[in-house]
Amino acid sequence: QVQLVQSGAEVKKPGSSVKVSCKASGGTFSTYAMNWVRQAPGQGLEWMGAIIPIYGAPNYAQRFQDRVTITTDESTTTAYMELSSLRSEDTAIYYCASYIHYDSSGFHPRAFDNWGLGTLVTVSS
Amino acid sequence: DIQMTQSPSSLSASVGDRVTITCQASQDISTYLNWYQQKPGKAPKLLIYDASNLKTGVPSRFSGSGSGTDFTFTISSLQPEDIATYYCQQYVNLPLTFGGGTKVEIK
Repeated sequence: QVQLVQSGAEVKKPGSSVKVSCKASGGTFSTYAMNWVRQAPGQGLEWMGAIIPIYGAPNYAQRFQDRVTITTDESTTTAYMELSSLRSEDTAIYYCASYIHYDSSGFHPRAFDNWGLGTLVTVSS
Repeated sequence: DIQMTQSPSSLSASVGDRVTITCQASQDISTYLNWYQQKPGKAPKLLIYDASNLKTGVPSRFSGSGSGTDFTFTISSLQPEDIATYYCQQYVNLPLTFGGGTKVEIK
């Protein structure tokens, strides 16, 4: 069972960028799909994108395509999500969430069975 | 994108009641559907995957059913610790999408 530890809360100015980290421990990092899901205050869950380290290339939700960058560092088993051109509407809790993509049992459902505690990003002038 | 529509958006029930939440997909998603529970101030927790499979360790009062476009999540006997918001999520296609959530309260 992987544990996900996220970086701390951030306060950012409109137009700036934020980079949130998510360190995974336990399991085989390269076989996990590392996802980012955000939740605006009082709102529902929104998937932003994901990366599977063994493949490298991330997938992004269309609405974030031009502003988000998801990367991983396998040497530190850490995933990163960078969001640029921040606006007030980006104020939210950002969660990393993972599932095993593939192992000896084969492909696994895209079900987020591990979550970080969340990182609050506040965008305010 | 596949739209997931949950209903109701909120409900109030008594301890011991049977609670049912529905989730409708905008297109056929087979059984590629998960259910999550989110308690206030906490990260979501996976309860059910592949529409009807209970995650190990999740109480058996939780269940899910359905396929295609229509799905149901049931709590057979509501307990005080079940107060939370519940979300469905499809994974047949990217982007992965969630329903709007159903807030469950105790009457």
